[in-house]
Amino acid sequence: DIQMTQSPSSVSASVGDRVTITCRATQGITSWLAWYQQRPGKAPKLLIKAALSLQSGVPSRFSGSGSGTDFTLTISNLQPEDFATYYCQQANSFPLTFGGGTKVEIK
Amino acid sequence: QVDLQESGPGLVKPSETLSLTCVVSGYSISSAYYWGWMRQPPGKGLEWIGSIFHSGTTYYNPSLKSRVSISLDTSKNQFSLKLSSVTAADTAVYYCAGQTSAAVYWFDPWGQGILVTVSS
Repeated sequence: DIQMTQSPSSVSASVGDRVTITCRATQGITSWLAWYQQRPGKAPKLLIKAALSLQSGVPSRFSGSGSGTDFTLTISNLQPEDFATYYCQQANSFPLTFGGGTKVEIK
Repeated sequence: QVDLQESGPGLVKPSETLSLTCVVSGYSISSAYYWGWMRQPPGKGLEWIGSIFHSGTTYYNPSLKSRVSISLDTSKNQFSLKLSSVTAADTAVYYCAGQTSAAVYWFDPWGQGILVTVSS
């Protein structure tokens, strides 16, 4: 099974900051990676697919990069609605696996 | 617009079978690439439970494989999850989700989730 490790597990930031979250896979998954945002009490929402492609309707301050085993989600100019938990998911092979999550908190 | 809605009992007794249904509206269930179930224990991260393709082929999380079953009901445009021999560790919010637009393994859209508590 492919394990996904996210870091950090939490980050404190202010409105307007730039935040970077990393996700590492235990084996290469080319670009088969998705990022989700989950606000408290809500279902996850797909932000980025195929490692760097923004899902329709997602603000351009979100961006993804990486391939192989190392991936990054960057949020530029953090907005109040971005304070949430973010998960990566490998979409390369079954069993599908998620990272442990990164909580972006208000400083 | 595709909408998914989970339904089922919010309380299940230990050793019994958890049964949930995901009703899909705005899209034909047999036209999608695949559907899936995830869960999230209170305060914890997401866990993939399993997926079913439009062909009926299923894949399950190895840690749950002996207890889980996912099926499609095209006549009702819904799909279902059964998890047998539940324990308190199966208490979680259960989400259904799908992939309607491409042959890929990420999920969009998702249902709103349903909390299932396992307790006597």
